[in-house]
Amino acid sequence: EIVLTQSPDFQSVTPKEKVTITCRASQSIGSNLHWYQQKPDQSPKLLINYASQSFSGVPSRFSGSGSGTDFTLTINSLEAEDAATYYCHQSRSFPLTFGGGTKVEIK
Amino acid sequence: QVQLQESGPGLVKPSETLSLTCTVSGGSISSYYWSWIRQPPGKGLEWIGYIYYSGSTKYNPSLKSRVTTSVDTSKNQFSLNLNSVTAADTAVYHCAREARDGGYFDYWGQGTLVTVDS
Repeated sequence: EIVLTQSPDFQSVTPKEKVTITCRASQSIGSNLHWYQQKPDQSPKLLINYASQSFSGVPSRFSGSGSGTDFTLTINSLEAEDAATYYCHQSRSFPLTFGGGTKVEIK
Repeated sequence: QVQLQESGPGLVKPSETLSLTCTVSGGSISSYYWSWIRQPPGKGLEWIGYIYYSGSTKYNPSLKSRVTTSVDTSKNQFSLNLNSVTAADTAVYHCAREARDGGYFDYWGQGTLVTVDS
């Protein structure tokens, strides 16, 4: 099973700041890495697929990069509505797995 | 706009079977893979397994011995059965669609909390 390790677990950020979340895979997964945003009491929403492709309708301040084992989700100029937990997810092999999540709080 | 809606009992007794249905609206269930994903309260996401519209399945080995899924294309629904439940199975259960180009989940249901308690 491929283990995804996210860091940090928690981040408190001021609006307009840049946020960087990392996801490290226990073995190479190519670009088969996707990012989701989950707000309280809501289901996850897709932000980025295949490491760097922005999903339809996602604000341009969200971007993804990386390949192999190391991946990054970047939120440029954080907005109040971005307060949420962010998860990475790999589809390289079964079972499909998710990272533990990174909670982003607005200061 | 595709929408998914989970339905089923919110309370299940220990050792019994958890049964949920996901109804797909705004699009066809055909030609897609449909997954169940769960999230214990305050915790992360765990993929349970998927079913293809044709009926083929794949499950997480951690749950494989207790999980069955089925699909009813005439009703645009798919279902989850998890037997011999314990308190550790208490979670929000989400259904989700895997995108046509594969790998990621582009549509999710709102999720339904299932509590295992006597």
